Order: sequence, then structure tokens, then C-alpha cells
Amino acid sequence: KNQVEQSPQSLIILEGKNCTLQCNYTVSPFSNLRWYKQDTGRGPVSLTIMTFSENTKSNGRYTATLDADTKQSSLHITASQLSDSASYICVVADRGSTLGRLYFGRGTQLTVWP
Amino acid sequence: EADIYQTPRYLVIGTGKKITLECSQTMGHDKMYWYQQDPGMELHLIHYSYGVNSTEKGDLSSESTVSRIRTEHFPLTLESARPSHTSQYLCASSERSGRDTQYFGPGTRLTVL
Repeated sequence: KNQVEQSPQSLIILEGKNCTLQCNYTVSPFSNLRWYKQDTGRGPVSLTIMTFSENTKSNGRYTATLDADTKQSSLHITASQLSDSASYICVVADRGSTLGRLYFGRGTQLTVWP
Repeated sequence: EADIYQTPRYLVIGTGKKITLECSQTMGHDKMYWYQQDPGMELHLIHYSYGVNSTEKGDLSSESTVSRIRTEHFPLTLESARPSHTSQYLCASSERSGRDTQYFGPGTRLTVL
């Protein structure tokens, strides 16, 4: 069964600190993996996208890694800011369907305190 | 900021009412999607469209219906709302397949009393 599991479910950190969010998936055949940021009451916004051949990608203070062999990804946030408080969702696309089926994790709820 | 819009943002209605949630995008994307999301849970695909006059049901069974008469417009309709329909509804679009980056609207928070 194709699944995406994220950990931790929630995380509280102090402003300025770094943190790492985890994503494990069983989706096969794999096409790509995205990390989305979803602010409360808003739609998700794409942060990074990685294909099979990419093992790291950065977007400002966000750095995503991918290990396609172990089917794991992480999102590292550097020097956190209050505006980083949001849900971070790992999304994996399969390669086997015409639609390009997406599998969503439940997200990690990050809270940054001053 | 993606050019995809949803109205209303919030809606509180009584049981049995007919409602239509609007979604429009100005990016010229062929593919459009409707997702349902409950608090703390993953997004579930309920409808999608490959283009004009094309609509398909998603993975999560839904009593809602959709239409795609124009490329930019993908409304969702509930003929008779029930409390079980209370949820957040997110509309999205992508340029080609679902593997491309999907751009999401701000969502409609629906509460059925």
C-alpha cells in the first residue's frame, strides 16, 4: 500500500534554532517528492521538488534531502523565524498512473516561539 | 503567490441546503483538482479534471459533483449539505500531469449545522 508517513507530528522550537522534519514513504513506482508549507487556513505552497536522481535541494533557509534507496526524505529549516510556524507536508508522486497520483502525509505542525 | 482563487473562504449553512464552491485559475492550466482536508489529516482527492468537459472522481468518495465548462473555472456543488460534509475544501491546478507542481487556492472552510 502506498503511504507517506511524517514525523514528528508536531514540534515546538525557539526562534533562531534549526530543526529537521522527517518523511518516509512506500510509494512505488516513484516519480518525485515535494515538500509543501501550509499556513493555518491557507492552501499548501510548494517549497521544493526532488526527482529520483536528486538527493538535496535548497530554497533559502529550507533544505530538503532525499534517499531514494531507503525511501526517506528530510526537510531542514535553518535559523527559524516566527513566520515558519505552519504545517509542513510531504507529498510523493507516483510514476505509474496517467493522472500522476499524489500521496500526502499528514504533515508536521511546526510552532516557532519568540 | 499562485493565481488560483476560491470563494467563499468561509461558509456556514444549515442541513439540506444546496451550495456551490467556486474555484478559478488564471494560469491556463488544463488540470484541476478538488481536495478535502480535515484538521490534522492528509489531503484527499475527491475530484479532478483533465480539461474542458472532462471530470473524474478521486480516491475519496464524495457526494459532491463538479463541472468544467471553461478552462479557468472548476466549481464544486453539494445538492444537499449534511454535517458530515463539514471540512476544508482545497482547489488546485497544474500545468500538465499531477506530477507537476500543483498550485493550491486558499481553501473554503465549510461548516454544515
